[in-house]
Amino acid sequence: GIQVEQSPPDLILQEGANSTLRCNFSDSVNNLQWFHQNPWGQLINLFYIPSGTKQNGRLSATTVATERYSLLYISSSQTTDSGVYFCAVVAAGGTSYGKLTFGQGTILTVHP
Amino acid sequence: DAGVTQSPTHLIKTRGQQVTLRCSPKSGHDTVSWYQQALGQGPQFIFQYYEEEERQRGNFPDRFSGHQFPNYSSELNVNALLLGDSALYLCASSFAPVQGGYEQYFGPGTRLTVT
Repeated sequence: GIQVEQSPPDLILQEGANSTLRCNFSDSVNNLQWFHQNPWGQLINLFYIPSGTKQNGRLSATTVATERYSLLYISSSQTTDSGVYFCAVVAAGGTSYGKLTFGQGTILTVHP
Repeated sequence: DAGVTQSPTHLIKTRGQQVTLRCSPKSGHDTVSWYQQALGQGPQFIFQYYEEEERQRGNFPDRFSGHQFPNYSSELNVNALLLGDSALYLCASSFAPVQGGYEQYFGPGTRLTVT
C-alpha cells in the first residue's frame, strides 16, 4: 500500500518563529489532508489539498502531486499551535475510495 | 451545523468483553469511516460504511465489525477484547466514497481502555 512519511518527527520552536512540515508519499494520490491533533485527541481539519496551494491565516500548504510531496507552513507560531500535525492521503486508482493513510505525525512544541 | 459526534467519550472494559462505539456523521454526509489510533501512532483505517454496507476494510480481524443505519449513523463493535485493543477510536464522515473520496471530518473520539 501507499507509504506516507512526515518530517521532522519533532519540532521545538520559540513563539513567533516560522516552520515548515513536510509530507512525502510513495504513490499517486486523489486526496491529501493536513490535520492538527489537539491534546484531547480531536483531529482538526487544516487543509484539503490534493494539489496546489492554499492559505488560511498564518497557515498555508502546498502539494506538488507530480513530485509526491506536500508542505505545511506555519508562520509567527503561537503556543496554541502546539500539538501533533498529521498528513493523510487517499491513494489513486484501485478501490481506495475514502481510505485515508496517515503519516506518523510531527510533534510541534511552541515555547512562550 | 452539527459536526461528527461520538459516544461514549471514555470506556473501560475487561479482556474478553465486547464493546460498542457509536458515531453520528456531520450533517449532509452519508459515509462513515472508523480508525484506530494507538498511543504515539497515526490513525489506522478499520473500515468504511456507505449505503449500510461495508465498502472497504483495513487490516483488522473479524473481531471488529460494524453497522450503518438508515440515518447514516454507525456503530463499531469489537468482540473478545484484547489488551492491544486499547486505543483512541475515531469516526470520520464524508460524502459518498467516489474514487478518491471527499474531505473527511473527524469526531472527538472514544478512548477505550482494556484491562
